[in-house]
Amino acid sequence: GAVVSQHPSRVICKSGTSVKIECRSLDFQATTMFWYRQFPKQSLMLMATSNEGSKATYEQGVEKDKFLINHASLTLSTLTVTSAHPEDSSFYICSATRGTGRDTEAFFGQGTRLTVV
Amino acid sequence: LAKTTQPISMDSYEGQEVNITCSHNNIATNDYITWYQQFPSQGPRFIIQGYKTKVTNEVASLFIPADRKSSTLSLPRVSLSDTAVYYCLVGASNSGNTPLVFGKGTRLSVIA
Repeated sequence: GAVVSQHPSRVICKSGTSVKIECRSLDFQATTMFWYRQFPKQSLMLMATSNEGSKATYEQGVEKDKFLINHASLTLSTLTVTSAHPEDSSFYICSATRGTGRDTEAFFGQGTRLTVV
Repeated sequence: LAKTTQPISMDSYEGQEVNITCSHNNIATNDYITWYQQFPSQGPRFIIQGYKTKVTNEVASLFIPADRKSSTLSLPRVSLSDTAVYYCLVGASNSGNTPLVFGKGTRLSVIA
């Protein structure tokens, strides 16, 4: 079964509103989680690294004031798309890594399809 | 992280063996090679990981030559449900704090 759960799987919102996406590690603790964005027919693009108890690290070109990340616990990271616009419509995916050393394995959430109308 | 190069797309008929090769000329000594599969509107799913020679699991085989500058994912007897994008990633496998960086991947289309 899934070890990283993302919610909601699909959301439609109006321009100007905010949308929160949750990412949970189900049976392990993750001090670090990652958020990706994927446009149609394109690869996953890393947006930011979510760190439990500290500020997220954003990739170049990603607006931190628009994509708010909160990692309040060892099993939950949230991504809030603020004042959403149609160009923010995309597939958002989170991931978390379980294990250490050679047993490290990255797991991905099911993804969230955001449509801004 | 080492850069990877894969074919953009491949077509195959059902029941055939599919081999997808990935080039990673700048692979580092402590880098592992990992392949992920992604279906439309889903997150990527781990397929297989290896360091050298050959690795086999219930889903696929991974062939890595001695110089490790390339690797080949082998899918035996593909079915329509294997239609997906396959990503080859290269990086150190010893840290949960390092994000996976995805290349363009290979879009495999299986035809009946």
